[in-house]
Amino acid sequence: AQTVTQSQPEMSVQEAETVTLSCTYDTSESDYYLFWYKQPPSRQMILVIRQEAYKQQNATENRFSVNFQKAAKSFSLKISDSQLGDAAMYFCAYRNGLIMNRDDKIIFGKGTRLHILP
Amino acid sequence: EPEVTQTPSHQVTQMGQEVILRCVPISNHLYFYWYRQILGQKVEFLVSFYNNEISEKSEIFDDQFSVERPDGSNFTLKIRSTKLEDSAMYFCASSDVAGNQPQHFGDGTRLSIL
Repeated sequence: AQTVTQSQPEMSVQEAETVTLSCTYDTSESDYYLFWYKQPPSRQMILVIRQEAYKQQNATENRFSVNFQKAAKSFSLKISDSQLGDAAMYFCAYRNGLIMNRDDKIIFGKGTRLHILP
Repeated sequence: EPEVTQTPSHQVTQMGQEVILRCVPISNHLYFYWYRQILGQKVEFLVSFYNNEISEKSEIFDDQFSVERPDGSNFTLKIRSTKLEDSAMYFCASSDVAGNQPQHFGDGTRLSIL
């Protein structure tokens, strides 16, 4: 079974600084997708960024980028120029690519709560 | 941008009562999901639904739970006899194609069981 591990329950960063959130995962599949979701206090689930496992290039979305290390099964999120609105719970998540037996559920980590210090 | 819509935003129900959580997925989407998040815990998969049948369900999704797509637009989650431990945030999600397309989440329904 696939697992997603986030070892940092909470992190803090000064506004305008850069912060990296860690995530490791375990799977025996070769084709899969990885995601970072943001959950602000309103508890919406907002997709921040996604990475296809077959792509070597790290995904980037404006101030958000990932460091995808497939061999190490590591998928960290870097937030540059942190803003107060970035304060939220961040979930790392995994999904199979090859839809065997329709197994396309998303598996979430436990989350990292990010605080932005003004 | 199209959204997944969930109603109500907050549902308060007495233990033992039936509750129906409603979701309107994005209109051209074909794959539907329910997840739940107990306060302070991670988001957990409940069930996936495609072509008018359940594709996969987790061990959480026992006989007390059911899903239905009663018409062309709604996707519902019913809990027959609620328990205190059913109190959670319930998220509906949908996607148009399996595999590389992300699942779009609704804003969630907060279910409180008294």
